[in-house]
Amino acid sequence: GESVGLHLPTLSVQEGDNSIINCAYSNSASDYFIWYKQESGKGPQFIIDIRSNMDKRQGQRVTVLLNKTVKHLSLQIAATQPGDSAVYFCAEKRTGNQFYFGTGTSLTVIP
Amino acid sequence: DSGVTQTPKHLITATGQRVTLRCSPRSGDLSVYWYQQSLDQGLQFLIQYYNGEERAKGNILERFSAQQFPDLHSELNLSSLELGDSALYFCASSVEGGQTNYGYTFGSGTRLTVV
Repeated sequence: GESVGLHLPTLSVQEGDNSIINCAYSNSASDYFIWYKQESGKGPQFIIDIRSNMDKRQGQRVTVLLNKTVKHLSLQIAATQPGDSAVYFCAEKRTGNQFYFGTGTSLTVIP
Repeated sequence: DSGVTQTPKHLITATGQRVTLRCSPRSGDLSVYWYQQSLDQGLQFLIQYYNGEERAKGNILERFSAQQFPDLHSELNLSSLELGDSALYFCASSVEGGQTNYGYTFGSGTRLTVV
């Protein structure tokens, strides 16, 4: 069946290093993707989005890359900080305009 | 503060009982979405309301129901509760209800524990 999934459930990085979180999707009709960050005890927060007509989008310290050929999405965080420790979800907008979320990757930043 | 308000923050109840979770969307948002997040699970879409009307259904059990009121707040009713219903329940809101070109704004969630 169709799914939005993440390659790794956990990721640990040293403070100051770059982090890369990956996400695979299987619905080729999806045209909009979002990365969310969820800190402990809080709801998901919007980080960055990308539309299917783009390959790359940059924000502040974050970059999202979209490879439609292999249906892969990645989130790159530059100079990772302790405050970046959280669970990161990719979300895929499918037909019907609902977002479907992956299971999440837990990022731990080691000081 | 995201602007989406959920109450209560925590809820502990017994199996077989019924509970109501409440959500007030961000000012100006017409759509409300309910999601369930179980341990080690992603966010499972339950149901969407737009301006008082049901717009879409996801993996919502028949024991669960929701509604959106004229003031746009929404309630999620969970009945005949089972241990497996223990989860975080999130409400999110957005301006649009049709072509949603932006992400959602999430509340802080209600943690439901069924004992």
